[in-house]
Amino acid sequence: GENVEQHPSTLSVQEGDSAVIKCTYSDSASNYFPWYKQELGKGPQLIIDIRSNVGEKKDQRIAVTLNKTAKHFSLHITETQPEDSAVYFCAASIWNTDKLIFGTGTRLQVFP
Amino acid sequence: GAVVSQHPSRVICKSGTSVKIECRSLDFQATTMFWYRQFPKQSLMLMATSNEGSKATYEQGVEKDKFLINHASLTLSTLTVTSAHPEDSSFYICSARDEAGYSNQPQHFGDGTRLSIL
Repeated sequence: GENVEQHPSTLSVQEGDSAVIKCTYSDSASNYFPWYKQELGKGPQLIIDIRSNVGEKKDQRIAVTLNKTAKHFSLHITETQPEDSAVYFCAASIWNTDKLIFGTGTRLQVFP
Repeated sequence: GAVVSQHPSRVICKSGTSVKIECRSLDFQATTMFWYRQFPKQSLMLMATSNEGSKATYEQGVEKDKFLINHASLTLSTLTVTSAHPEDSSFYICSARDEAGYSNQPQHFGDGTRLSIL
């Protein structure tokens, strides 16, 4: 089955700097890759997603890149703000199965 | 749009009690909902897929008689933890996908239920 690895497990940055979180997946049939932000005591909130027919997607300060050949996808957050501090999860799925396999999470801390 | 509501947000009860958790899609219909379990500082693990009008599909290692799932309508799925014990203490989260409109809609999550068994 699918296995998703995520790095780093913790990431500390200064406000205004960029943050990059990387994931790799094992199943070449996976074709949908969402990113979720989870704040303490809350459920995950979708922040951006990408499908396998696209190499990059951007939404304001957030961007995701996908390398299908290497089975890598990454989350890029620019101009980080303290409110970006949370745990971020990547996930992968084969679209019509709906089953999301999550990475292990990255705790991002943005210091003022 | 695409709001998923989960209730209750927190439950504390004695060992041996059965606990029911509700998951509702507030502004869309969902024939499929998902139940996850999350231990502190860990990732989300899929427990089961809840299917409206039919039996749930459980992941390997999840006891279906322990975690009863009912999906009686297009907007409500329930998870009942039967005869709960301290090892069942965890954060339970549901998700659902808006299946109307265009395809490839993402999963949206509820805010979870923290279950503590004494």
